[in-house]
Amino acid sequence: QVQLQESGPGLVKPSQTLSLTCSVSGGSMTSTLYYWSWVRQPAGKGLEWIGRVYPSGSTNYNPSLKSRVTISVATSKNLFSLTLTSVTAADTAMYYCARGRAVTGADYWGQGTLVTVSS
Amino acid sequence: DIVMTQSPDSLAVSLGEGATISCKSSETVLYTADNKDYLAWYQQKPGQPPKLLIHWASTRESGVPDRFSGSGSGTDFTLTISSLQAEDVAIYYCHQYFSAPLTFGQGTKLEIK
Repeated sequence: QVQLQESGPGLVKPSQTLSLTCSVSGGSMTSTLYYWSWVRQPAGKGLEWIGRVYPSGSTNYNPSLKSRVTISVATSKNLFSLTLTSVTAADTAMYYCARGRAVTGADYWGQGTLVTVSS
Repeated sequence: DIVMTQSPDSLAVSLGEGATISCKSSETVLYTADNKDYLAWYQQKPGQPPKLLIHWASTRESGVPDRFSGSGSGTDFTLTISSLQAEDVAIYYCHQYFSAPLTFGQGTKLEIK
């Protein structure tokens, strides 16, 4: 059973950089069948896809965040990461990591980590 | 970007009755090479991550009750719950994974009448 676990600071100051890590257990990250995504959800609102990374390191990003986002993968460490620069209060949200498959979309999700942007 | 629009935004249904949620995409999510629609449905309960219910528009995930069914193709899709149970109270999202950037519908909140 694949499990994903987000980790990182719960509080980030405005204009600073948000950095999160997703640790993956119960499966290999090297298979080309999968991609690894970040999705966020402001309190009481819907899901917003941030982007994804493939085991090769190839990425796709949400155009609305593309200038500020970097997603990277470290398959040997079974983890992938999210970096979001120049954060504002609008970036306050629950951040989820998820495994995706070309045939299903995101099938396994972490429990999420709440990130608040505030001084 | 493919825009996903769900209707209604909220829905109240009596226990045992059926519920229907619509999802429309601004472009087709049908991949002609395999004749599959790259459309998924998720259920999200309070304090939990989304749970994948259906992929390829109509393929139920293992363990998902058969009262949940998906239909449609191209740009118009439907999630149907045939007989509402109390545990089905949740927000439901459609999601296209046909092309990047991947996108979600705005969600439909399902409640008990």
